Formats: sequence, structure tokens, C-alpha cells
Amino acid sequence: NAGVMQNPRHLVRRRGQEARLRCSPMKGHSHVYWYRQLPEEGLKFMVYLQKENIIDESGMPKERFSAEFPKEGPSILRIQQVVRGDSAAYFCASSPLAGDTDTQYFGPGTRLTVL
Amino acid sequence: DAKTTQPNSMESNEEEPVHLPCNHSTISGTDYIHWYRQLPSQGPEYVIHGLTSNVNNRMASLAIAEDRKSSTLILHRATLRDAAVYYCILRGGSNYKLTFGKGTLLTVNP
Repeated sequence: NAGVMQNPRHLVRRRGQEARLRCSPMKGHSHVYWYRQLPEEGLKFMVYLQKENIIDESGMPKERFSAEFPKEGPSILRIQQVVRGDSAAYFCASSPLAGDTDTQYFGPGTRLTVL
Repeated sequence: DAKTTQPNSMESNEEEPVHLPCNHSTISGTDYIHWYRQLPSQGPEYVIHGLTSNVNNRMASLAIAEDRKSSTLILHRATLRDAAVYYCILRGGSNYKLTFGKGTLLTVNP
């Protein structure tokens, strides 16, 4: 069973461009979470999605950031008009259920560098 | 979310046991204690979780104090591959979020 897959692993963008980060959850997992790890900081929750629904986006900046998890295909985290402060590692996790005992399985992350 | 406190760093020698402590004095009765670790340049990885009783799995053991205000993650024989940041996380009330603190950076010496 393949793990959580993220691509690209590394992404370089210039200020003002768009960044699209993709996450394919583990097979059978319908719950997806995105976390961000800024340099020298801990991981912070951004958004939680189920198929076709955003359940909780309380950790996601209100502007320029959006996330989706369509019925078919991977989850996408989109950052419009990137700025240098968006440079970070973005991790996706998935789980079969979403309770407080359910393990979240993380992908290897996408490291975004904004020039 | 209830807060956890961990030492910033710890050091161990290869093949020796490692005890990683975590204080969570404000834990509520329904909070589970989870441990994740993050190896260099990788995503976090689940290690173990428990509620009241001590737990064992193939990776580690979790010892939970009787009053649940602290817990200890035990790696029975540290290997170089165990060098990572270890996070102690409380989850309760059907909380799907993982709230990561700064964790403990474990260094394993050969």
C-alpha cells in the first residue's frame, strides 16, 4: 500500500507567481490535512478536507491560499501571488477516519522556495 | 488544546535505551497522548499513543503516569535512525488536528 504522495517535492517560484501543491492520500483514506512548517518553526495545521468538502480551514491564511479535495484526483493546495514569507515545507497527511485516536499518515512534503 | 512541555534536546548512545519525557499537567480526562517523530527532511511519523495504561508497539513503549500529568516515550535500543524530533501531542474531544510544539531533538551517538 503506497504511502501519502506529494508532488512536487521541491518547488521554486518567483514572487507573484502561483504555487500548486498536490497530495495523493493513502488508498482508502478520505480525510486529508495540510500542515505548514516555516523555517525554524514547528508544524502548524492549515486545513482539513474530506472528499469535496472543506471541514476546517481555520489555520489557513484568509487571502491567497485555497485548498480542494475533488471527488477524483489529488488534493490541491494553491497559493496565489506567492511572497517570500510563503517559503516553507508543506506537508499533507491522510487518515481513514478523523477521530482523536486515528493516526495521520504524512507525506514527504513539498519544499516551496519563493525567490 | 492542552499544552505539553518537552526538553528541547536529548542525547543518547547507540543501542542504549532512551527515555523522552513529556509534561502535560492540564490534560483532561478524555485526552489521548500521542507521539510523532520527524526525521530530518521528512514528514512526521506516528510512533505510539495511549490514554491511561502503558502501551507497547514495535517502535516504542509509552509509560503514562498514574495521574496522567506526564508521560515518557521509551526507545528500548536507540539506533542512528532514531535521530529525530519527537513530538508529544494531546488529542481529545474528537479533535482531528495535531498541534505540534517544538518537540525534543534526539541525537544518537554511534
